[in-house]
Amino acid sequence: QKEVEQNSGPLSVPEGAIASLNCTYSDRGSQSFFWYRQYSGKSPELIMFIYSNGDKEDGRFTAQLNKASQYVSLLIRDSQPSDSATYLCAVRPSGGYQKVTFGIGTKLQVIP
Amino acid sequence: GAVVSQHPSRVICKSGTSVKIECRSLDFQATTMFWYRQFPKKSLMLMATSNEGSKATYEQGVEKDKFLINHASLTLSTLTVTSAHPEDSSFYICSAWTSGRKSTDTQYFGPGTRLTVL
Repeated sequence: QKEVEQNSGPLSVPEGAIASLNCTYSDRGSQSFFWYRQYSGKSPELIMFIYSNGDKEDGRFTAQLNKASQYVSLLIRDSQPSDSATYLCAVRPSGGYQKVTFGIGTKLQVIP
Repeated sequence: GAVVSQHPSRVICKSGTSVKIECRSLDFQATTMFWYRQFPKKSLMLMATSNEGSKATYEQGVEKDKFLINHASLTLSTLTVTSAHPEDSSFYICSAWTSGRKSTDTQYFGPGTRLTVL
């Protein structure tokens, strides 16, 4: 069974620090990887996606992918209290299949 | 980014009634949409895959007759919760992929529908 593992947290970081969120996956053939942010009572909001090994940066967010280690991470620089939310890692298998597997999500708390 | 809408955003109904939730892709066509359910403090649970012009594919343990899905056009999928009971109270979220054929495609979620069955 394909699995996506995340630490449920909470992960607490002080305002202005770097928050590092991690995700591992079991399906070595996975094609693309997504990070979603979900505020309490709201639906997930796409933050970033990555499909090539290495880093991808977008503003304060950097996604890192290491397919050999089956590991994907999300770094949030200069963390703000508004970043406090649950971050979901989602993994899409190869072959164009659209059904992704979600991790349980990591709850991030940014302390002012 | 692509936009997916849902209606209604919140519904309260009596036990035994049926509730219809609409999911629309506003600026792109979606041959496939997905319906998720999320209970408080839990992760998303995929209920079914909605396929335009054909039958939906349900995940194991999801009752087909209770959760009716109709994907009548490339921009609209509906989920009907039939004979709703209090245990059906949950947050229902739909999603759609922008294209589905490329590794760079992305999945967007609707804003969700909070169903409360009294």
